[in-house]
Amino acid sequence: NAGVTQTPKFQVLKTGQSMTLQCAQDMNHEYMSWYRQDPGMGLRLIHYSVGAGITDQGEVPNGYNVSRSTTEDFPLRLLSAAPSQTSVYFCASSYSRRSGNTDTQYFGPGTRLTVL
Amino acid sequence: SQQGEEDPQALSIQEGENATMNCSYKTSINNLQWYRQNSGRGLVHLILIRSNEREKHSGRLRVTLDTSKKSSSLLITASRAADTASYFCATDEGARGSARQLTFGSGTQLTVLP
Repeated sequence: NAGVTQTPKFQVLKTGQSMTLQCAQDMNHEYMSWYRQDPGMGLRLIHYSVGAGITDQGEVPNGYNVSRSTTEDFPLRLLSAAPSQTSVYFCASSYSRRSGNTDTQYFGPGTRLTVL
Repeated sequence: SQQGEEDPQALSIQEGENATMNCSYKTSINNLQWYRQNSGRGLVHLILIRSNEREKHSGRLRVTLDTSKKSSSLLITASRAADTASYFCATDEGARGSARQLTFGSGTQLTVLP
């Protein structure tokens, strides 16, 4: 299994540009999420999904959109990039979260995004 | 807002010594997890302790949980240079049966000197 994969690894955008960060997992996990990590801070949840067709907002959703058309993929879209979105973005997945406690989350390697 | 806060923010020790990191949180939790992040990499799960557990071991790792004090500690025994990383606690405080989330602290940067 490849686990959780993210592309691209690095990206530089200009203010106002849009782009999609890709995330895929091959573990048949129902739960997927996107976090951003800023220097000296922990991870903050952007959006998450408990299964195909279901998404919800996390702590810092503004400026980002997500969709979950398949179990495997969970892309994150930046609608109009701003310098404040310069960060490292991590995608994670875990087993079913619809009932029971949270499970171990498996993280991708991250995407380093710079917005000029 | 961040639920878990780690203490200290940075810790530097000699190889072979023990390292202790603490995590405090604010609300009731279902479980608490510890993750490690090597520089420039994603997070790796270390250990999960449920709210009805008080102590858990995994290899050189020992985690304790005190729900009355809303705190947890991670002990790494006989540290190695390869343990150099950032360590994060994450709490699950959502209602049972709902779509819950993990809330991460800001991390402890551990440096193990050879």
